[in-house]
Amino acid sequence: DIQMTQSPSTLSASVGDRVTITCQTSQTIDNWLAWYQQKPGKAPKVLIYKASTLETGVPSRFSGSGSGTEFTFTISSLQPDDFATYYCQVYNVYSRAFGQGTKVEV
Amino acid sequence: QVQLQESGPGLVKPSETLSLTCTVSGGSFRNYFWTWIRQSPGKGLEWIGYVYFSGSTTYNPSLTSRVTISLDTSKSQFSLKLRSVTAADTAVYYCARDPNYWGQGILVTVSS
Repeated sequence: DIQMTQSPSTLSASVGDRVTITCQTSQTIDNWLAWYQQKPGKAPKVLIYKASTLETGVPSRFSGSGSGTEFTFTISSLQPDDFATYYCQVYNVYSRAFGQGTKVEV
Repeated sequence: QVQLQESGPGLVKPSETLSLTCTVSGGSFRNYFWTWIRQSPGKGLEWIGYVYFSGSTTYNPSLTSRVTISLDTSKSQFSLKLRSVTAADTAVYYCARDPNYWGQGILVTVSS
């Protein structure tokens, strides 16, 4: 099964900061990676899928890159509504797995 | 627009079987994977397993001995059964056509 390493686990940032989260997989997954935002008491919301495709309606300050085993998620200018927990997920035909999560806090 | 809704008991006794159903509307089952995910209180997301539209299944190795996921396309539903539950199975359970569509989640508590 695939192992995911997401870092950092916690990130302290301010409004306007550039924020970067990384996700590393134990096997190559081509580009079958998604990034989610989750707020307390809510279901995860997909922001990026296929490593770099922005979900419809998601602001362009969110972006994703990478392929193979190394992936990056970036918020170009952190907004007040962006304080949340973010997860990466592999979703290929063989398996699914989630990263450990990154809590973005003030 | 695809919508998913979980349903089932919110309380299950230890050693019994947790049974949940996900009802899908607004989309076809064809060519998609239908997934169950859970999140224990204060913890991260854990993939439980999925069923492909053909009926084939793949499960998380850590849960495979206790899990069954099945599909009923005539009812636009897929279901989860988790046997021999303990308090560690207390979680919010989500159904999804990941990554794009998720249900709102249902809290299941395992307690006597």
